Amino acid sequence: AQKVTQAQTEISVVEKEDVTLDCVYETRDTTYYLFWYKQPPSGELVFLIRRNSFDEQNEISGRYSWNFQKSTSSFNFTITASQVVDSAVYFCALGDYGGSQGNLIFGKGTKLSVKP
Amino acid sequence: DGGITQSPKYLFRKEGQNVTLSCEQNLNHDAMYWYRQDPGQGLRLIYYSQIVNDFQKGDIAEGYSVSREKKESFPLTVTSAQKNPTAFYLCASSIGQAIGVTGELFFGEGSRLTVL
Repeated sequence: AQKVTQAQTEISVVEKEDVTLDCVYETRDTTYYLFWYKQPPSGELVFLIRRNSFDEQNEISGRYSWNFQKSTSSFNFTITASQVVDSAVYFCALGDYGGSQGNLIFGKGTKLSVKP
Repeated sequence: DGGITQSPKYLFRKEGQNVTLSCEQNLNHDAMYWYRQDPGQGLRLIYYSQIVNDFQKGDIAEGYSVSREKKESFPLTVTSAQKNPTAFYLCASSIGQAIGVTGELFFGEGSRLTVL
């Protein structure tokens, strides 16, 4: 069975701290996609990144970086120098490589609070 | 601006009543989805539609119904048969169904339904 675990329910940091959000997944598939979405207080989820299982290179986008480690089935997300605007719920999700968006498996989310 | 519009933002319902949540998109996307989000939980798929006049059940379709008469519209009806309808409902769309093609879901800001 496929599963996504985000063990950190809530994290609170002070502005400018670095923070890492953990994501561990389970799948029997050898090829798959992983995603991160951000849900700000306004409610809509915003796409951050999609990574396929072939590509284990880490990715950096501004203050955001992602560490994909297939050996440990993890796809962790780090925010460097956090800002108050980063406060949101962050979801990790797993999808079939040849599959449908409708079959994404979402984790339960990590609520990040960044205090000034 | 292109995007997904959900209405109403907040809705109160008495037990035994059906309610319909609206979802409209002007992104010209073929695929649309309805998710349910409960506190501290990930997203669970209710229904999805790949094309007009076609839709499929998701993981928790019981007590819900949908229609897709127009490409841009995908309303969700929460029927009296839904035993625990109080939740946050999110509508999403994507260019197509396949993850490898579409890459990401676009979400509306959600509708919060409370049953009194």
